[in-house]
Amino acid sequence: KNQVEQSPQSLIILEGKNCTLQCNYTVSPFSNLRWYKQDTGRGPVSLTIMTFSENTKSNGRYTATLDADTKQSSLHITASQLSDSASYICVVSALTGTASKLTFGTGTRLQVTL
Amino acid sequence: DAGVIQSPRHEVTEMGQEVTLRCKPISGHNSLFWYRQTMMRGLELLIYFNNNVPIDDSGMPEDRFSAKMPNASFSTLKIQPSEPRDSAVYFCASSFKTWPGASTDTQYFGPGTRLTVL
Repeated sequence: KNQVEQSPQSLIILEGKNCTLQCNYTVSPFSNLRWYKQDTGRGPVSLTIMTFSENTKSNGRYTATLDADTKQSSLHITASQLSDSASYICVVSALTGTASKLTFGTGTRLQVTL
Repeated sequence: DAGVIQSPRHEVTEMGQEVTLRCKPISGHNSLFWYRQTMMRGLELLIYFNNNVPIDDSGMPEDRFSAKMPNASFSTLKIQPSEPRDSAVYFCASSFKTWPGASTDTQYFGPGTRLTVL
């Protein structure tokens, strides 16, 4: 069964600090992995999309890594800001022939405080 | 561009009533997706369309759910009859390239419709 597990469930950090969110998956055959940021009361916004051959991708202060061998991904946030407070969702896509199946993590809720 | 537009933003209805959620994708986009999000189950893909044609509806929970896309600029998700367990936030998203061949394409989400079934 395809699964995506994210950790931690929630996290509180001080503004300016760095943090790393984890995503472990058992999805096959792997196609790509996405990280989304979802502010409270809003729709998810795509941060990064990585395919099998990519192991690092950055979007400003957000850097995602992918280890396809161990089936792990991480999202590193540098110099956190109050606006980074949100839920971060990992989504893994499996591609079989003409069908694509998405498996969603339950997210990590990040709170950045003063 | 106004982004993906959904209406209504909030819907409160009684069990047994019909509910229709509406979505206008970003102009020029060729794929449209309906998602449901709850605290218990997180985000779930219900159905997606390529060029107005439903491709995969395996995520639709029951026959009470139906979705249509009569043209490139409009889609509906209907629940009939509604039940309390249908209470959730329903998101519509669109992407430029069709799925799943271009599955690395960015999906743009609407603001969601918060549905409460009493």
